[in-house]
Amino acid sequence: DTAVSQTPKYLVTQMGNDKSIKCEQNLGHDTMYWYKQDSKKFLKIMFSYNNKELIINETVPNRFSPKSPDKAHLNLHINSLELGDSAVYFCASSQAPVEQFFGPGTRLTVL
Amino acid sequence: SQQGEEDPQALSIQEGENATMNCSYKTSINNLQWYRQNSGRGLVHLILIRSNEREKHSGRLRVTLDTSKKSSSLLITASRAADTASYFCARTGKLIFGQGTTLQVKP
Repeated sequence: DTAVSQTPKYLVTQMGNDKSIKCEQNLGHDTMYWYKQDSKKFLKIMFSYNNKELIINETVPNRFSPKSPDKAHLNLHINSLELGDSAVYFCASSQAPVEQFFGPGTRLTVL
Repeated sequence: SQQGEEDPQALSIQEGENATMNCSYKTSINNLQWYRQNSGRGLVHLILIRSNEREKHSGRLRVTLDTSKKSSSLLITASRAADTASYFCARTGKLIFGQGTTLQVKP
């Protein structure tokens, strides 16, 4: 019954590695998002997809690449991980640009 | 910065007291939303107030909006320990969040 799910919940990896975080929503929403929350709790939007089409792409290093195979999924792939990438990453979805439904988050730790 | 800014950053009160959090923003808005984040969890939508509304209620929550001052406030009445969380405001569209207000309600 989970509306927005993310895997994995925790990810610990070495600098320089490549990793992916998966997100799925079963709400039938057209729009999905990725956010990054840093240690000071600032929550910043990274990407937004509407019906598999990229509509928001904030100033994010091109090491981050979102992929939306269908409108229920939005995955985030990160190449050459850096220490500064350590954060909690949240996926969200919405039907209209109003209420967003957030996933539980993926805590990424880069060593 | 276009992000909303919540004030105070941290608030500690006793159960039963009221908690007031404020939010300021820099650009004009269509709507403004408040979200809650429990520790280690994702954000949960609480309430949305439209730019033509001045006040809105939902249970123990009361939100006000002053577009002339570009500010909003969230009031939680008769707080409970379960209200302990971080609270964020965000303007609708491309949601821009601030740092949130961390509320601790002591039993």
